[in-house]
Amino acid sequence: SQKIEQNSEALNIQEGKTATLTCNYTNYSPAYLQWYRQDPGRGPVFLLLIRENEKEKRKERLKVTFDTTLKQSLFHITASQPADSATYLCALDSPYNAGNNRKLIWGLGTSLAVNP
Amino acid sequence: NAGVTQTPKFQVLKTGQSMTLQCAQDMNHNSMYWYRQDPGMGLRLIYYSASEGTTDKGEVPNGYNVSRLNKREFSLRLESAAPSQTSVYFCASSEYNTEAFFGQGTRLTVV
Repeated sequence: SQKIEQNSEALNIQEGKTATLTCNYTNYSPAYLQWYRQDPGRGPVFLLLIRENEKEKRKERLKVTFDTTLKQSLFHITASQPADSATYLCALDSPYNAGNNRKLIWGLGTSLAVNP
Repeated sequence: NAGVTQTPKFQVLKTGQSMTLQCAQDMNHNSMYWYRQDPGMGLRLIYYSASEGTTDKGEVPNGYNVSRLNKREFSLRLESAAPSQTSVYFCASSEYNTEAFFGQGTRLTVV
C-alpha cells in the first residue's frame, strides 16, 4: 500500500531563510499531490496542488516541486516569517475505490518553527 | 462565506453514550468526508460520500455510522462511544479531485 513520509522532526529556521519540507511516497505515483497548512486546534487549510505532469508550481512565497522519478515532492517557503510557523501536511490521491472520486492519503506532517 | 461548519466544537461523553457530529458545507460540493486525527497517526478517513445519496467506508469505519442528509449535510454518529474514539474529528468537502476544505474540528473525549 502507499506510504507517505514527511520530515519526522520539527524544522527550525531563522526568519528570512527558505524552508524546505519533503514528502516522499513509496508506491504508485499519484495523479496529483496537495500541500496543506495546519495550525494548532484548527483544520488543515489548502495551499497548493500539483499534478503528475507538472514539475513545479508557485504561489507567492510558496513553491512545490514534484519528481515522479524520485517519488518526492518538495515544498519551499521563501523569505520565511514567524507567521509561517505551523504544521505542513502533504496528501496524495488514491485510486482505490475511486470511480470519479479519488480519496486522499495523508502524511503525518512536518512542524515548522520560524524564529525571529 | 462560512465554508464547512461543524458542531459541536468540544464534547465529553461517557463510555456507551451516543452522539451525532453535524457537518454542513455551503460550497455546493459533491464530496464530503469525515476524518479523525490522532497524535502520531495523522488524518485517517472514517467515511466519505462521493455524492448525495452515497456513502462509503474509509480506513477506520468501525464504531461509526454516517448519513448524507442532502448535498449540504453529512453527519457522523457514534452509537456507543468507547475511549478509543477519543480524538479530534474533522469534516471536509471538495469537488471531484480538487482541494479539500475542512471544518474547525470537534474535540471529543470519551471517559
